[in-house]
Amino acid sequence: DAGITQSPRHKVTETGTPVTLRCHQTENHRYMYWYRQDPGHGLRLIHYSYGVKDTDKGEVSDGYSVSRSKTEDFLLTLESATSSQTSVYFCAISDPRTGYGYTFGSGTRLTVV
Amino acid sequence: TQLLEQSPQFLSIQEGENLTVYCNSSSVFSSLQWYRQEPGEGPVLLVTVVTGGEVKKLKRLTFQFGDARKDSSLHITAAQPGDTGLYLCAGEAGNNRKLIWGLGTSLAVNP
Repeated sequence: DAGITQSPRHKVTETGTPVTLRCHQTENHRYMYWYRQDPGHGLRLIHYSYGVKDTDKGEVSDGYSVSRSKTEDFLLTLESATSSQTSVYFCAISDPRTGYGYTFGSGTRLTVV
Repeated sequence: TQLLEQSPQFLSIQEGENLTVYCNSSSVFSSLQWYRQEPGEGPVLLVTVVTGGEVKKLKRLTFQFGDARKDSSLHITAAQPGDTGLYLCAGEAGNNRKLIWGLGTSLAVNP
């Protein structure tokens, strides 16, 4: 399986501060995704990338931005954190070897106080 | 808006029982995937089905993709406590390999 790591695993931050979450893959996969998972809402797509410097918005992109300057790294930034952004964030890559099934990172639990 | 509905939402059974969970949509998908998620971890891919009517078996798990590629089912035979988790289905539609996700079936298998 492709290696995918997220950092940090846990973070507590204050309202109004910027926060950056990192996703790193050890394979050369093209597609990468950022999701948030909340009770009652399931997995919701924030942003995704289909190549270096090629990104697009998902269904819940307000308040978030992303960057992908290298194939292996996909960064998610909360520009000014709010309590509504308290969530578990998952990064995923789409693997052509599994019919484009996703491999997920272990997640980042973010609490905005 | 494309939706995937999963049923039941919750299921609690005894070890050794059989069960089936369902994933339904009014939309056609080019492929459908099943994942299992344990607390504190990301979802893990179980299977991808791409052909209408396709059946795939993974040990005690049997996955079926509907003939019209709008629905799917997951059948578990002789459930074990290790099968406990959240089962998610996801359908691929559109471009850039994006998935439409169901809300999941939370399965508890009691010893």
